[in-house]
Amino acid sequence: QSVLTQPPSASGTPGQRVTISCSGGSSNIGGNTVNWYQQLPGTAPKLLIYSNNQRPSGVPDRFSGSKSGTSASLAISGLQSEDEADYYCSAWDDSLNGRYVFGTGTKVTVL
Amino acid sequence: QVQLQQSGPGLVKPSQTLSLTCAISGDSVSSNSASWNWIRQSPSRGLEWLGRTYSRSKWYNDYGFSVKSRITINPDTSKNQFSLQVNSVTPEDTAVYYCVREVGSNRYGFYFDNWGQGTLVTVSS
Repeated sequence: QSVLTQPPSASGTPGQRVTISCSGGSSNIGGNTVNWYQQLPGTAPKLLIYSNNQRPSGVPDRFSGSKSGTSASLAISGLQSEDEADYYCSAWDDSLNGRYVFGTGTKVTVL
Repeated sequence: QVQLQQSGPGLVKPSQTLSLTCAISGDSVSSNSASWNWIRQSPSRGLEWLGRTYSRSKWYNDYGFSVKSRITINPDTSKNQFSLQVNSVTPEDTAVYYCVREVGSNRYGFYFDNWGQGTLVTVSS
């Protein structure tokens, strides 16, 4: 069902930098902005990055986003234990009369 | 501060109708700058956008193609809430359902900034 492809897992030690990729196509990432969501265990997803690289108020600046062509990336610098969560990318998709699509999700583990 | 409070049954029998409600505080379902969405999450299907309702001088609805023939999303302005109905459910509809506010602009794009607490709905006899 998920249209956007992410690696299933990523990990790092505290303080390290972790990067998560999100691959799509011309109908979604290629033509629309990308958002990222963080989901802590047992909770609803939370907006982390919007419009490719914008952080909502309250999100630490160690989270950053970027987009190039039909792919996007989320970087976490200075990894902390509370960053252990699932991360999802999302974008509007212009096909099939339009719909939001999500990534397959990446589980980040802090070693 | 916007809060979304979901309510509805956690167990639905196959072939029956799934019904959930989302009560809004801190914003209005009639807002001309927000849209009101339903998203579900299951291990087999991941995060799946179901559809939305929004007001821009008149009411509009958009539905995801996978559920379009079975889904209805309605606003209730008298109670400042919106609802989801999914007809003819099967075990494949078992998921955590979220109500979600969407905001944004044509310049910066649109995104989901407020989520309900989630409701686990199990389809089983």
